[in-house]
Order: sequence, then structure tokens, then C-alpha cells
Amino acid sequence: KQEVTQIPAALSVPEGENLVLNCSFTDSAIYNLQWFRQDPGKGLTSLLLIQSSQREQTSGRLNASLDKSSGRSTLYIAASQPGDSATYLCAPDSGYSTLTFGKGTMLLVSP
Amino acid sequence: ETGVTQTPRHLVMGMTNKKSLKCEQHLGHNAMYWYKQSAKKPLELMFVYNFKEQTENNSVPSRFSPECPNSSHLFLHLHTLQPEDSALYLCASSQELEGFDEKLFFGSGTQLSVL
Repeated sequence: KQEVTQIPAALSVPEGENLVLNCSFTDSAIYNLQWFRQDPGKGLTSLLLIQSSQREQTSGRLNASLDKSSGRSTLYIAASQPGDSATYLCAPDSGYSTLTFGKGTMLLVSP
Repeated sequence: ETGVTQTPRHLVMGMTNKKSLKCEQHLGHNAMYWYKQSAKKPLELMFVYNFKEQTENNSVPSRFSPECPNSSHLFLHLHTLQPEDSALYLCASSQELEGFDEKLFFGSGTQLSVL
């Protein structure tokens, strides 16, 4: 059974800092891994999807890397802004859109 | 807007009530999902429908009854719920189930409180 751990559970930083959020998973037989953002009381927004054959994926100030063999992924946020405050979730896909979610990293970026 | 709409946004019900959650997607997707998000727990997959056929029932109690009349609509019928069923219920859709690199699009969820 896939298990996903996200570290840290919470993070508070001043605006402008570069951040690294970590995700580890126990079963490396995945097809892809997605990073999501969730605002309080809201649904999830897909940020990045990394295919199992890829090493990294970039979108604006976000960069996600994947080391499938070691069961790790990182989300790098450059020049953080208050609008980045949210919970970030990673979810490896074991096939047929069977995503397993971590508990997330709650990020607070202060002005 | 993600193209996935859920109603109602909030629902309070007693344990003897019957209510339904509704989800509609305007993305032309063929797969739809129900997830449950309880406080301080990871999202849990409840049900998966592909081309209106249920393909996954993740050991969900029978007091939760899904219905998928077509590829655009998904319902979750609720009856005789327990207080521990209070949670955020999220609907999602993807283009298809068999694609291996499918992004999921989520609705805003229904925050359910069972008294």
C-alpha cells in the first residue's frame, strides 16, 4: 500500500524566500506524481504533473523534481509571495488515476 | 474556476436525514471521482466512475451511495450518517481513467457537518 509523507507539516517564511517542500513515497512503481495547491475550505488546484520518465517540471516560479527510484519529490518555490500561502499536497499515481495523497505542507508567507 | 462545480457548498444534517451532494463537470471528461477530506487526514478516495460505470469502491460504508447518470454528473446520496462522517467532500474529474498522465480537476467541495 502506497504511503506518502510530506515534510515539513507547516512552514512560515517572510516574503521573497526560496522554499523547498519535500514529499516521499514508499512504492516507487508510479506512473506520475502531481503537486496540488489547496486554499482553506476549497478544492485542489493541480500545479504540476511529472511523468515517471521525467526528472523535473517547471511552471513559472514553481519547479518540481522527481527521483522515482528513491521515492522522493521536491517542490521548489522561488521568490515566495503572500499569495503562495496555502497547503501543498503531493500525490503519486499508481495507475488508473489512483492517487495517494500526503497530509500536505501548510505554507504561510508573510509580507 | 476549474470547470467542476459542486453543490451545495455547505450542508448541515442530522443523523436521520437523507441528502444528496451534486457534482457537474463542464470539461468533457469521462472519469469522475468522490474524495473525502477529514480534518488532519489525507484525502481518501471513495468512488471512481469511468464512462458512467463504477470502477472503484474503496470500502465505503453503504450509507454513502453514489450515482452517475452520465459522464457530466455525479451524485453522492447520504443517509443515516454518523458525526464522524463530517468532512469536506470533493469531486474531481479527469479526461479518462486509462490514461497514465491524467491531471485531476477538483471542485470546491461540500463541507458537511453531521449533528
